[in-house]
Amino acid sequence: NAGVTQTPKFRVLKTGQSMTLLCAQDMNHEYMYWYRQDPGMGLRLIHYSVGEGTTAKGEVPDGYNVSRLKKQNFLLGLESAAPSQTSVYFCASSYSGQGDFNYGYTFGSGTRLTVV
Amino acid sequence: AQKVTQAQTEISVVEKEDVTLDCVYETRDTTYYLFWYKQPPSGELVFLIRRNSFDEQNEISGRYSWNFQKSTSSFNFTITASQVVDSAVYFCALSGGVGRGGKLIFGQGTELSVKP
Repeated sequence: NAGVTQTPKFRVLKTGQSMTLLCAQDMNHEYMYWYRQDPGMGLRLIHYSVGEGTTAKGEVPDGYNVSRLKKQNFLLGLESAAPSQTSVYFCASSYSGQGDFNYGYTFGSGTRLTVV
Repeated sequence: AQKVTQAQTEISVVEKEDVTLDCVYETRDTTYYLFWYKQPPSGELVFLIRRNSFDEQNEISGRYSWNFQKSTSSFNFTITASQVVDSAVYFCALSGGVGRGGKLIFGQGTELSVKP
């Protein structure tokens, strides 16, 4: 049982390049989320999904797109990377949208992205 | 709108001191869930506790305790007899549950430094 797996763990992009971050969970969770973490700002929600085939905008969606074609995967895309998107990205999942009593929301280990 | 405020940006204590991390939240929902996560220097997010809005009982787990007070919209976290291994960033978070897409809203985090 791997939980939530994020790929890649590190990446350096040049301004204007595109890339896709992959989040995969094997817990049959309905809800999935993408966050970015910047110093002093906590984790901010980029996009989320309440089930296969659905996506919705979070607090900071500009410059990102997402897709949830399969229940277990949630992809985050950057079409034209900018230095302001340098951040640590976390994916999370939840079975019920309430977080589990014993383990809350399950988070991946993060992707450190640098845009130069 | 939902909001979580952790007013303490950084706290520094000496080992064996007790320390309280403050968390104040805002929500109009009657059903909601509160969480604490720990982020050690290695970067992963470690789940500590989930509380629902109908359970105001204080929780104790070893050296950790939580004080949930709906009257003041606070969910404070106390570490008793702190240890160097407690050094980390601690996040308080709020979820409005299924009605809000299970979105988890984070505070800015409190960086705790425990010195030997």
